[in-house]
Amino acid sequence: GEDVEQSLFLSVREGDSSVINCTYTDSSSTYLYWYKQEPGAGLQLLTYIFSNMDMKQDQRLTVLLNKKDKHLSLRIADTQTGDSAIYFCAEWANQAGTALIFGKGTTLSVSS
Amino acid sequence: GAVVSQHPSRVICKSGTSVKIECRSLDFQATTMFWYRQFPKQSLMLMATSNEGSKATYEQGVEKDKFLINHASLTLSTLTVTSAHPEDSSFYICSAMTSGGISQQYFGPGTRLTVT
Repeated sequence: GEDVEQSLFLSVREGDSSVINCTYTDSSSTYLYWYKQEPGAGLQLLTYIFSNMDMKQDQRLTVLLNKKDKHLSLRIADTQTGDSAIYFCAEWANQAGTALIFGKGTTLSVSS
Repeated sequence: GAVVSQHPSRVICKSGTSVKIECRSLDFQATTMFWYRQFPKQSLMLMATSNEGSKATYEQGVEKDKFLINHASLTLSTLTVTSAHPEDSSFYICSAMTSGGISQQYFGPGTRLTVT
């Protein structure tokens, strides 16, 4: 079945760049997403990338997609303490219908 | 942007009672709503997909008689946890999808259920 894997923790210093990595298994994924979840809150869509793209940049966020290796990354430039949260990678796998398949989430901790 | 609300945001109930969680799309019509469950430090697990006016489609392993889903209108879906037990304690998140497809899926803020 479909599977999305992420590393569980990442710790960085304020001002550094953060890179959160994700791998997925479904080669037919059409969209790949990054969501942010702050403590006690729901999910916030950060950005998404269509599978025919290699890169997407949105202000401090850069998404890189290596479709051959089924690897997705999210780079946050100039990481701030407010970026501390759990980041979920998700894919839309056609075989699963219209639901998203989520990774377990990466907890990003930013220290000042 | 599109807003999805959930009510209540937190609920504590006694074991054996039932609790209803509402999910509303505030400024758009949602053809499909999804219910997810999130365990501490774990990923979201899709519980069911509901389309307005039809029966929900439950994921394997989710008891449909325990987690009742009603999608009575294009802006409201409810999840009722019946005969709740402590193991049902979790964070429940709904999402609503517009007719634009998966890229227009909006998540609610979640409901924290604690069963004592």
